Amino acid sequence: QVQLQESGPGLVKPSQTLSLTCSVSGGSINSGNYYWSWVRQPAEKGLEWIGRIYVGGGTTIYNPSLKSRVTISADTSRNQFSLNLASVTAADTAIYYCARGGDTGSYSGYFDSWGRGTLVTVSS
Amino acid sequence: DIQLTQSPSSVSASVGDRVTITCRASQDISNWLGWYQQKPGKAPQLLIYVASSLQSGVPRRFRGSGSGTDFTLTINNLQPEDFATYYCQHTRYFPLTFGQGTRVEHK
Repeated sequence: QVQLQESGPGLVKPSQTLSLTCSVSGGSINSGNYYWSWVRQPAEKGLEWIGRIYVGGGTTIYNPSLKSRVTISADTSRNQFSLNLASVTAADTAIYYCARGGDTGSYSGYFDSWGRGTLVTVSS
Repeated sequence: DIQLTQSPSSVSASVGDRVTITCRASQDISNWLGWYQQKPGKAPQLLIYVASSLQSGVPRRFRGSGSGTDFTLTINNLQPEDFATYYCQHTRYFPLTFGQGTRVEHK
């Protein structure tokens, strides 16, 4: 069974870049039929999809609301994928989850495996 | 972007009750809708995909229905472990979006 684990700083200063890594075990991020996403959740609020990477094709798709600030990349040698979010403000304070999504047929777009989430606070 | 509106925002229920949550999309999304359950301090878990398909390992008391713009999640015979927040999510096209959530609380 695939497992995902987020890691990175829990505190980031305003205007700096938030950087998180998701380590994947129990399966290769380079395997077909799945893509790898980031989703965030401000405290006591709903879920926001940030973007995804399909490692096999090296393609990324980002939420337009964050597109100018987001980069998602992958390191297949380490079986990890990463999130960089630039020029952060207090509004970016949230729990950040990495998740695996289906990429084929009726399963396409749904997240069947998630990390536990990591809280990132933007504050000086 | 497709907006998803869930109702109610919260519902009070007792063990054994039937609970119904609705999700309305701002445009036709066919059956490209899923449902997740989230418990406090935990990541969401997929319950239903393509409107009515039960994710592996999810109890059959969870049932999804609907198509087009109106969808329903029904929980039959509510169990103690079902008290949680439920989110709908569309997969019609990017960006993927979620509903604002429905909290199932103890009556």
